[in-house]
Amino acid sequence: EAQVTQNPRYLITVTGKKLTVTCSQNMNHEYMSWYRQDPGLGLRQIYYSMNVEVTDKGDVPEGYKVSRKEKRNFPLILESPSPNQTSLYFCASRVGLANEQFFGPGTRLTVL
Amino acid sequence: AQTVTQSQPEMSVQEAETVTLSCTYDTSESDYYLFWYKQPPSRQMILVIRQEAYKQQNATENRFSVNFQKAAKSFSLKISDSQLGDAAMYFCAYNGGGADGLTFGKGTHLIIQP
Repeated sequence: EAQVTQNPRYLITVTGKKLTVTCSQNMNHEYMSWYRQDPGLGLRQIYYSMNVEVTDKGDVPEGYKVSRKEKRNFPLILESPSPNQTSLYFCASRVGLANEQFFGPGTRLTVL
Repeated sequence: AQTVTQSQPEMSVQEAETVTLSCTYDTSESDYYLFWYKQPPSRQMILVIRQEAYKQQNATENRFSVNFQKAAKSFSLKISDSQLGDAAMYFCAYNGGGADGLTFGKGTHLIIQP
């Protein structure tokens, strides 16, 4: 089944404790993105990637890192999480520039 | 930077009626892509419909159709014969055809009254 998977689905952590949210897609898509969703703000893009080793900042990149060492994986790294990073995070992928994005199931992150 | 505006934070409609969700966007591009995504309580993002800006014909998918007005930069979603399962958040999104992803509106919460 074609899908985007994220892990963990739920995470509660404390300020300053490094964490990684994994994202993997099995569709051989070139393009991948991370978004955060906050009430009243919709989804905002954090980082995106055009291919292996090629990444760029989205609209809200502060406090986040990403890597793209393999085509299928695009982990999101929070080196020192803070409470304002409490949010619902989505990973997405697409095969080409003109195509719709396929979204993962989301990761609910709470930073205390 | 592109912006997408959904002016209706919440809409309510009777089951079996028709409802229209509005979306406007701002861009200087001539070729771009527009999408409507549905987010039910499960939080999954589900593509409802897409429209290519170079196509004059409005996209339709069963009970869902759009009214795309390129000059006015408007992209509204019409849901006909509303069903209880249509209750969800609906997001309008824009992509300029570049490597970056989607720019989303803030969403419209659609309530279906039985």
